[in-house]
Amino acid sequence: QKEVEQDPGPLSVPEGAIVSLNCTYSNSAFQYFMWYRQYSRKGPELLMYTYSSGNKEDGRFTAQVDKSSKYISLFIRDSQPSDSATYLCAGNSGYALNFGKGTSLLVTP
Amino acid sequence: EAQVTQNPRYLITVTGKKLTVTCSQNMNHEYMSWYRQDPGLGLRQIYYSMNVEVTDKGDVPEGYKVSRKEKRNFPLILESPSPNQTSLYFCASSLRWTETYNEQFFGPGTRLTVL
Repeated sequence: QKEVEQDPGPLSVPEGAIVSLNCTYSNSAFQYFMWYRQYSRKGPELLMYTYSSGNKEDGRFTAQVDKSSKYISLFIRDSQPSDSATYLCAGNSGYALNFGKGTSLLVTP
Repeated sequence: EAQVTQNPRYLITVTGKKLTVTCSQNMNHEYMSWYRQDPGLGLRQIYYSMNVEVTDKGDVPEGYKVSRKEKRNFPLILESPSPNQTSLYFCASSLRWTETYNEQFFGPGTRLTVL
């Protein structure tokens, strides 16, 4: 069983919708969490980083971590077709990032 | 432009024929890593290197070797590839590994098919 679980989707929403992407994790030793975005045929790129429980906002994106329930969320407001990608959550483990399987998101015009 | 480059981007080979996938970064990063990405399994770490002197196994090292002779390069070697190594491979680097923050920059990926 992976330490980070993520629903693979696909998730399809209309343009302008609020998107909620979620992960659960089992490793209590995770100290920080990241969301990576991966476009088709590209490498992942860092989208959001959070070190502790709480919310972090960056433009249309909000990352939320609840360490008590081991739950990680990414919210996208006013979603755009350009947000269509796979979103990967990750926590640090040893000398690596432990990734979820990724959620495929499609935002339709 | 700061980047991680990988070569080749696509490779089709046959079982048992040794191959090397190169990875190079121009950001003076200490930490480098290799991942493979498979449908339904996600990204899994193969090997990582904290610096030129330290290299260690990740979650799925069987069938792979790495080399870190200089800071910028971290090639992935498949001595005798098998069909179960057909996958999408990513090299990544970060400035250094810390306990609080490690943004890894990923290369564009190498799609390997072993027949």
